[in-house]
Amino acid sequence: DSGVTQTPKHLITATGQRVTLRCSPRSGDLSVYWYQQSLDQGLQFLIQYYNGEERAKGNILERFSAQQFPDLHSELNLSSLELGDSALYFCASSVATGAWDTQYFGPGTRLTVL
Amino acid sequence: SQQGEEDPQALSIQEGENATMNCSYKTSINNLQWYRQNSGRGLVHLILIRSNEREKHSGRLRVTLDTSKKSSSLLITASRAADTASYFCATDYSGGSNYKLTFGKGTLLTVNP
Repeated sequence: DSGVTQTPKHLITATGQRVTLRCSPRSGDLSVYWYQQSLDQGLQFLIQYYNGEERAKGNILERFSAQQFPDLHSELNLSSLELGDSALYFCASSVATGAWDTQYFGPGTRLTVL
Repeated sequence: SQQGEEDPQALSIQEGENATMNCSYKTSINNLQWYRQNSGRGLVHLILIRSNEREKHSGRLRVTLDTSKKSSSLLITASRAADTASYFCATDYSGGSNYKLTFGKGTLLTVNP
């Protein structure tokens, strides 16, 4: 158990819908990262927040957005869902934001878009 | 495109044998990390090697880094059935002010009892 929690574990929804994925980082970690894992694209970095502020952006679509709240939990919002958005979404956390910080991954949310 | 690329894509060995996986990357890095992922589950950090290090050990794991060839290898000695998983290398981006990890597509290791 990494100490990072994600809810829900599974999510099944229809195209065009909007969903929210939630992540609670390990106690004491200030950074939260979101990743998308699919068979064709592999594990893709989406976005990072550090202590409530956006810190780095990866291959995140405009239909996706995220935020980190004062209690440091984070939410990833996916809207206008398409079939291709079906994937595993992982959240990771680390103490700070440097190159030497180990990222601890949550168990993931499996999103299925029908 | 992916920064790190693992090789081979899949590897099947017998329990007790050693497993070697390779990773190649394209640009300068601060560090390279290896992660393990059991089927459909979260990634587990295994080891981090810094760009100024050439070799690192952790239990049955040995990681090497050759920055001149932009490559790394992960050796698992005396493999066990429980080592069956996908293994990913992840490289950071050393340019600019934004730090992020880029993962390869992984090597699927199967250890047969």
